[in-house]
Amino acid sequence: AQSVTQLGSHVSVSEGALVLLRCNYSSSVPPYLFWYVQYPNQGLQLLLKYTTGATLVKGINGFEAEFKKSETSFHLTKPSAHMSDAAEYFCAVSVGYGNKLVFGAGTILRVKS
Amino acid sequence: GAVVSQHPSWVICKSGTSVKIECRSLDFQATTMFWYRQFPKQSLMLMATSNEGSKATYEQGVEKDKFLINHASLTLSTLTVTSAHPEDSSFYICSATWTSGTYEQYFGPGTRLTVT
Repeated sequence: AQSVTQLGSHVSVSEGALVLLRCNYSSSVPPYLFWYVQYPNQGLQLLLKYTTGATLVKGINGFEAEFKKSETSFHLTKPSAHMSDAAEYFCAVSVGYGNKLVFGAGTILRVKS
Repeated sequence: GAVVSQHPSWVICKSGTSVKIECRSLDFQATTMFWYRQFPKQSLMLMATSNEGSKATYEQGVEKDKFLINHASLTLSTLTVTSAHPEDSSFYICSATWTSGTYEQYFGPGTRLTVT
């Protein structure tokens, strides 16, 4: 079975500072990994995904994440936070095409001016 | 591309009544649709997986007689909450995908259900 652990339910950064949201996964088979962002009362928007190939993946809005198999991690980073980045972020794992996603508990990102 | 819509975006119903939520893929044919439930300040919990033309597969603990899912076409899935009760109040989100190896699901904007 797959599982996802997001360390830190709330993260607060200053505008312009580095954003680091942590995600560790557990999977018995090679995982597909995703980061989604959710704004209040809205659905989820895909930020980026890792399936195969290059372990550093770049997504929208300046976000990127690195798949580290040895650490079973897929941390999300952004060099410089913007006020508009304030939202809730979900890490998710899937074991294959079209299969169901297992979500982490989510991390609420607060950006201070 | 890959847009998923939900209707209604919010609904209030009285206890004991049924409510139907629609999930549509607007610009692609969705072979598989998923229904999630999200409680306030919590993560998404998968309720069921539906494949076009087949019966939905429900997750453990989800009452299939209470949450009726129909995926009658490649662009439409519906979730009907039957005999709704206040504890069914939640944010319901659908997602859709198709058989071309995209490895990702496309999410609808969600439906806020409040049962009074």
